[in-house]
Amino acid sequence: QSALTQEASVSGTVGQKVTLSCAGNPNNIGSYDVGWYQQISHGAPKTVMLGNSLPSGIPGRFSGSKSGTTASLTISGLQPEDEAEYYCSTWDYSLRAVVFGGGTKLTVL
Amino acid sequence: QVQFVQSGAEMKKPGTSVRVSCKASGYTFSDYAINWVRQAPGQKPEWMGWISPANDNTKYSQRFLGRVTMTTDTSATTAYLALSSLRNEDTAVYYCAREHCSGGSCNRNFDYWGQGTLVTVSS
Repeated sequence: QSALTQEASVSGTVGQKVTLSCAGNPNNIGSYDVGWYQQISHGAPKTVMLGNSLPSGIPGRFSGSKSGTTASLTISGLQPEDEAEYYCSTWDYSLRAVVFGGGTKLTVL
Repeated sequence: QVQFVQSGAEMKKPGTSVRVSCKASGYTFSDYAINWVRQAPGQKPEWMGWISPANDNTKYSQRFLGRVTMTTDTSATTAYLALSSLRNEDTAVYYCAREHCSGGSCNRNFDYWGQGTLVTVSS
């Protein structure tokens, strides 16, 4: 069982707003920033969000937020190229390790 | 621009060791920790540990203690991951990733990734 829990799958149509969630606990998300990573067709992960900061080169339709022990990644204006697996991760101080969620498969209909 | 180029795919037999390299460019190598993350087929990523090129301090995941060694060569701006006593279950793509730091604070998130190195363990 993952320390971080993500939806297995989410889908949306082009132009729609979708939100992916990542649920943790006070030892991880409750205390540390969350990273979000996009993986297309089993290629190398690409960072799309660091806390609520957008990395250089990532479109502004991506945004990140956190409330308590749940982090969210929102894509406003979904595009076909956003179809991918998305993973969240953060530090867990009780496990003394970086932990990853199980991933969300985002499908653009 | 920040870039990481990793060494090529490896085929190894159980019980042997493997070393993967990660050549960094585009930034001051000693300023950021390098993390290693692996991903077995069909699985989520798994963190293995990090190394600080500034002082060679390391932190390894409990899962790999005793089998993993992370090193750096600052003159070559290259990080290395060595994994010993390989098992079939170590078959995975191994990634290096730079730790994100902002305003002097680093948070164990990753901003840049290497392209990955496939290590296949099979008899």
